Amino acid sequence: SQTIHQWPATLVQPVGSPLSLECTVEGTSNPNLYWYRQAAGRGLQLLFYSVGIGQISSEVPQNLSASRPQDRQFILSSKKLLLSDSGFYLCAWSVPPPLSSGNTIYFGEGSWLTVV
Amino acid sequence: DQQVKQNSPSLSVQEGRISILNCDYTNSMFDYFLWYKKYPAEGPTFLISISSIKDKNEDGRFTVFLNKSAKHLSLHIVPSQPGDSAVYFCAASSPITSYDKVIFGPGTSLSVIP
Repeated sequence: SQTIHQWPATLVQPVGSPLSLECTVEGTSNPNLYWYRQAAGRGLQLLFYSVGIGQISSEVPQNLSASRPQDRQFILSSKKLLLSDSGFYLCAWSVPPPLSSGNTIYFGEGSWLTVV
Repeated sequence: DQQVKQNSPSLSVQEGRISILNCDYTNSMFDYFLWYKKYPAEGPTFLISISSIKDKNEDGRFTVFLNKSAKHLSLHIVPSQPGDSAVYFCAASSPITSYDKVIFGPGTSLSVIP
């Protein structure tokens, strides 16, 4: 069966420090990979998605970047964190869907980031 | 511009009664819809989905209805149980982006009162 893991689960970082959140998927190959953020009291905002190694689509202009160095690894980074980067970050994956049907995505456990 | 809307931030229902969660969308190219359930500090879990070729999909206590002309869908939970208390997210995707891009609504917090 497929599993997804992301880490660290929680972190507290000072403003201006770098960030690296990692996510790996096991039990599948060539998955679609996603990073979402849930800010306090808000919905799930799509930040990045990737349909293959080195292929990253960015959804919103922001202080963050994503990379996919390996097929089942997705990394969320920042060079200098802002207070507004605080939130609950979720990695997710899906099997690339055929064009005639939809896509079900599966989430990891989430990472709480507090920027102080 | 919010393409998937859930206009009720919260909903309270008595145990055993029906819970109805609503979702509206603006992008007419969306043709696949999903509902997710999320507990605090956990990742969302998939509940049920529906394709636009259907107007209803049922799975146990959960039924999703789709009204394409109104760009509206709803999730019915019958009977509601205290363990259903969570935030429910509606999501949508489109063949235009090969269904790779899944957009979520802001969520509705459901409280089922024992």
